[in-house]
Amino acid sequence: NAGVTQTPKFRILKIGQSMTLQCTQDMNHNYMYWYRQDPGMGLKLIYYSVGAGITDKGEVPNGYNVSRSTTEDFPLRLELAAPSQTSVYFCASRDQGAVGNQPQHFGDGTRLSIL
Amino acid sequence: GQNIDQPTEMTATEGAIVQINCTYQTSGFNGLFWYQQHAGEAPTFLSYNVLDGLEEKGRFSSFLSRSKGYSYLLLKELQMKDSASYLCAVRDRNSNYQLIWGAGTKLIIKP
Repeated sequence: NAGVTQTPKFRILKIGQSMTLQCTQDMNHNYMYWYRQDPGMGLKLIYYSVGAGITDKGEVPNGYNVSRSTTEDFPLRLELAAPSQTSVYFCASRDQGAVGNQPQHFGDGTRLSIL
Repeated sequence: GQNIDQPTEMTATEGAIVQINCTYQTSGFNGLFWYQQHAGEAPTFLSYNVLDGLEEKGRFSSFLSRSKGYSYLLLKELQMKDSASYLCAVRDRNSNYQLIWGAGTKLIIKP
């Protein structure tokens, strides 16, 4: 199993450009997440999904959009890139589990700079 | 509101023991996770506590006291490869059971 795969690993965007960060998992997990990680800060949840066709906003959703058309894929879209979106983005997934103790499995991250 | 506090940085010596503390304030506590994150890499799962007490996994142990809003991660027989950030995360019923993350503790191991 490859686990959670994110592409690209690095990207530089100009202000106002758009892009999609790809995330795919091969563990048949229902739950998927997008986080951003800024220096000195905890991971902040952008969006999450509990299954195909269902998405919900997290703590910092502004400026982002997601879709979940399949169990495997959970792309994150930036429509109008702004310098404040410079960050490291992590995608994660987890199994539903019976008691909620299933850990999240993370991709290797996408390092995004907006200039 | 919710808040998770961890020390920003700690230093320890190879072969020694170190305890990394995490305190939290949330009215909807539903479990606590510890993750390890090496510089430039993804977080990886270490441990999970939902009941009071100690969970042991080899060189790593994690403790929880729900009444005190307190957890610690204990690392024994430290190795140079343990140099990493250690992230505490609390699942909160009041946030749709999503994880609230601390900023992490950077652990530096010296020979």
